[in-house]
Amino acid sequence: AQSVTQLGSHVSVSEGALVLLRCNYSSSVPPYLFWYVQYPNQGLQLLLKYTTGATLVKGINGFEAEFKKSETSFHLTKPSAHMSDAAEYFCAVDRNAGGTSYGKLTFGQGTILTVHP
Amino acid sequence: GAVVSQHPSRVICKSGTSVKIECRSLDFQATTMFWYRQFPKQSLMLMATSNEGSKATYEQGVEKDKFLINHASLTLSTLTVTSAHPEDSSFYICSARSSWARFETEAFFGQGTRLTVV
Repeated sequence: AQSVTQLGSHVSVSEGALVLLRCNYSSSVPPYLFWYVQYPNQGLQLLLKYTTGATLVKGINGFEAEFKKSETSFHLTKPSAHMSDAAEYFCAVDRNAGGTSYGKLTFGQGTILTVHP
Repeated sequence: GAVVSQHPSRVICKSGTSVKIECRSLDFQATTMFWYRQFPKQSLMLMATSNEGSKATYEQGVEKDKFLINHASLTLSTLTVTSAHPEDSSFYICSARSSWARFETEAFFGQGTRLTVV
């Protein structure tokens, strides 16, 4: 079974500061990992994903994440926060990674990112 | 490409009535669609998986007679909340998995539906 833990339900940073959102996973198979962003009353937008290959994954809006198997982590970072980054972020693992039934996700609890001037 | 449209975006209904939510893949064929529910200040929880032309598979604890899912075509899945009650008020989001090889590692999400039962 797969599970995801996001450390910190709220993260607050200053504009221009480093953003670090933590995600640890548990998976019985090689994981497919995702980061999504959600703005209020909206659906999910994919920021980036890791499936296979390069462990440092670059996504949209300057975000990136590194898959570290030894630490079972997939932390999301951005060098310089912008006010528009304020939103809720979800880390997710695909329950059937490596098989043919992808798309069924287990989500972490979410982290609300606040960016202040 | 890979756009999923969900309708309506918001709905308010009276307790005891039924509400239907549609999830459409606009530019691809979706062999499988997923329905999630998100309560306020909580994460998304998978409710059910629907495959075109077959019965949906429900997650443990989700009442299949209350949340009716129909996936009659490769571009449309519907979720009907029957006899809705205030505790069913939530944000419902669908996602769709494409049969295109280029997208075979992810599913695409709709915009979500905010259901309020009064």
